[in-house]
Amino acid sequence: EADIYQTPRYLVIGTGKKITLECSQTMGHDKMYWYQQDPGMELHLIHYSYGVNSTEKGDLSSESTVSRIRTEHFPLTLESARPSHTSQYLCASSATGIFGSGELFFGEGSRLTVL
Amino acid sequence: DAKTTQPNSMESNEEEPVHLPCNHSTISGTDYIHWYRQLPSQGPEYVIHGLTSNVNNRMASLAIAEDRKSSTLILHRATLRDAAVYYCIIRETSGSRLTFGEGTQLTVNP
Repeated sequence: EADIYQTPRYLVIGTGKKITLECSQTMGHDKMYWYQQDPGMELHLIHYSYGVNSTEKGDLSSESTVSRIRTEHFPLTLESARPSHTSQYLCASSATGIFGSGELFFGEGSRLTVL
Repeated sequence: DAKTTQPNSMESNEEEPVHLPCNHSTISGTDYIHWYRQLPSQGPEYVIHGLTSNVNNRMASLAIAEDRKSSTLILHRATLRDAAVYYCIIRETSGSRLTFGEGTQLTVNP
């Protein structure tokens, strides 16, 4: 059973607000990821981290930012939310696998609606 | 990243086996083949992965072609709870990133 948690599960906010989506894992995984997924569509990698103080942008450009100050914590922040940011955000983590064998563990997702 | 091709959708009847195909003709020699599934309103969950040999676990079996250019995820007895989007993903040797495609929407009929 995965020990990766996302809060909030659902968030409805107005345009211009600053929001932070929290993601924590208790498995000691060094690698963490944020994916964005619109309803019925595929997942797109927007940020990833290979360890503390390491963050990289993913395949899909995003106005969000991330930080990795602690191994277990990988929050995602939107400084000024817009309706175009409405989506589901999924956090994942993995241990260092041998030659890419490590599986990803996903949280349940944070569904963001910006009015 | 190696590309994968999967059918958009498949149907099965409950209690019957399901074979979900995936083509990955540009796979490199040391890339792993991963399968994940996503149930409605949930994050994806790991199903199985393999390199060259066929693999079995409690959830499914993975049959890998000898040339590794295709693979098949096998659910031995489909249940209604297996209705989900199934993603076939090639994971590169050097990378930890997984790039998800559109996947196959599996419908299980009672």
